[in-house]
Amino acid sequence: GAVVSQHPSWVICKSGTSVKIECRSLDFQATTMFWYRQFPKQSLMLMATSNEGSKATYEQGVEKDKFLINHASLTLSTLTVTSAHPEDSSFYICSANDRVFDGYTFGSGTRLTVV
Amino acid sequence: GESVGLHLPTLSVQEGDNSIINCAYSNSASDYFIWYKQESGKGPQFIIDIRSNMDKRQGQRVTVLLNKTVKHLSLQIAATQPGDSAVYFCAENGGSYIPTFGRGTSLIVHP
Repeated sequence: GAVVSQHPSWVICKSGTSVKIECRSLDFQATTMFWYRQFPKQSLMLMATSNEGSKATYEQGVEKDKFLINHASLTLSTLTVTSAHPEDSSFYICSANDRVFDGYTFGSGTRLTVV
Repeated sequence: GESVGLHLPTLSVQEGDNSIINCAYSNSASDYFIWYKQESGKGPQFIIDIRSNMDKRQGQRVTVLLNKTVKHLSLQIAATQPGDSAVYFCAENGGSYIPTFGRGTSLIVHP
């Protein structure tokens, strides 16, 4: 079945630094990938839609200059949290749609802790 | 705006019992629904899906029921096992290709 690999699984960084999270579709091509953020005991909140070869579409309230998304190939999307602050600490999850599979496959998530 | 919600935040069951997790949706344009299981610290895993032209679909130990009249979706898990303990989300993508997630129900299975 469709597999989405997300890396790293966890990261601790200092305030003010930037962190890059990678999302790869391993056995299928994904023209569209999605980035979610999840706080403890809450649902997944869509942050942005990553489009291969074009700009990402951000949800209302999500700062595009803070959460940089790059989707340079059909199998890789990256989310960079710039100038991270403790309030950015969260669980970040990506997903991609394998058109054959139809459902959405999710990565294993990245636990970001900003200290 | 349209939303997908869940009735119960927590469901506790005994091992071996059947579990029923409910979900209400409000987007009448929804034509595709998905149930996901999320274990602690992991990404959501696809369980089962159903399209709006069906009212029931069965998988291995799981059944999804769709009632379009009242915009209600349920996930039934037969012979619940401790390994089924997780948070379960329903999602719908009617009107767009982006799944919208409900609040989630935490299923706790007691041995």
